[in-house]
Amino acid sequence: QQPVQSPQAVILREGEDAVINCSSSKALYSVHWYRQKHGEAPVFLMILLKGGEQKGHEKISASFNEKKQQSSLYLTASQLSYSGTYFCGTGRGNQFYFGTGTSLTVIP
Amino acid sequence: SQTIHQWPATLVQPVGSPLSLECTVEGTSNPNLYWYRQAAGRGLQLLFYSVGIGQISSEVPQNLSASRPQDRQFILSSKKLLLSDSGFYLCAWSPGQGYNQPQHFGDGTRLSIL
Repeated sequence: QQPVQSPQAVILREGEDAVINCSSSKALYSVHWYRQKHGEAPVFLMILLKGGEQKGHEKISASFNEKKQQSSLYLTASQLSYSGTYFCGTGRGNQFYFGTGTSLTVIP
Repeated sequence: SQTIHQWPATLVQPVGSPLSLECTVEGTSNPNLYWYRQAAGRGLQLLFYSVGIGQISSEVPQNLSASRPQDRQFILSSKKLLLSDSGFYLCAWSPGQGYNQPQHFGDGTRLSIL
């Protein structure tokens, strides 16, 4: 039931864009996105509750395709502070599963 | 505002020893509470969640147990630790059902088993 993320890892130069995908074999009722910096706890970025919903957080936004059971996280004009591991998460009721994770490294 | 406290920050324990990790939440009532484990370089695995006092759901069979003796207190325990119990343990809370509410994490406990 764990969502699968792609790519597993990506390296960007400052100012470049990236897309992280999250796919589930089960129906998605919501999609969360979190960022975890090395050695720290995950931090909530955003949650999408409806199919077709799109949300933005500074230069980070996400979309949710309920029919395709997918979500994508878009990072534009990346900054050094965007480095970390990004996790999507989904669940039903009180059960919750984090995705496999995507390591994103932004270099000068 | 709501805060979540988790302790200790780091712990080194011998194989076969007991374990008790504690998590408390302030500034909210009747939160959903979660325990996750993260192995080095890996994702987050949900271990337990609780929707109320004394209500514990286990996601993964193992030698760990959880208890919620008070509304905002969540405890992770083990009677005898295994080498495979090493990892980064994270407590989280959400204001309602996990799938439609954001989860907020404590700073975590880094557990090493020798």
